Amino acid sequence: EAGVAQSPRYKIIEKRQSVAFWCNPISGHATLYWYQQILGQGPKLLIQFQNNGVVDDSQLPKDRFSAERLKGVDSTLKIQPAKLEDSAVYLCASSSRRTPKDGYTFGSGTRLTVV
Amino acid sequence: AQTVTQSQPEMSVQEAETVTLSCTYDTSESDYYLFWYKQPPSRQMILVIRQEAYKQQNATENRFSVNFQKAAKSFSLKISDSQLGDAAMYFCACTSGTYKYIFGTGTRLKVLA
Repeated sequence: EAGVAQSPRYKIIEKRQSVAFWCNPISGHATLYWYQQILGQGPKLLIQFQNNGVVDDSQLPKDRFSAERLKGVDSTLKIQPAKLEDSAVYLCASSSRRTPKDGYTFGSGTRLTVV
Repeated sequence: AQTVTQSQPEMSVQEAETVTLSCTYDTSESDYYLFWYKQPPSRQMILVIRQEAYKQQNATENRFSVNFQKAAKSFSLKISDSQLGDAAMYFCACTSGTYKYIFGTGTRLKVLA
């Protein structure tokens, strides 16, 4: 089965610019997650979707970050405007169940550098 | 709140030898799950092994096994017969079965030829 696809793989932008990341989960996976992984840290959940509804976005900086999952398939994560501290790897993951006890399938992530 | 601590930023092991990566966690939940994920330079997080807290038997997946000490809230990963391809970042994670994983800060494993 195809894995979780993410693009772009790398992105360099200046602070205050906007950027968008795209994720295509495994076919049939209803649950989709966006994680932020800052260098030297473990991934931190930003937002979770169940189909096209938001389950948890408590750690999403909503003044600058937004995410959507139209039609319950692909998802985009946007940052506007970007700050230096947003430099990180943004990982998308999906699972077939709402509860992750069986583990997620992760994509290869997008490395964002804000200069 | 759940916390996961990995106290070894970096470990080295000779090829074909055995290495143990440490992880401690804290949770107030009685039902939870523990994971070890591997992250190679490609950045994709790969599930290595999973342990259900209610199971006393330690999980094993080929060369990978865990030492789960529930009372001590310890969950270490043992890699036997280490291979060059095992070199990666390893993350310990905990979830109470809702949806959110809490990850540790990771241990970088180097495998020496």
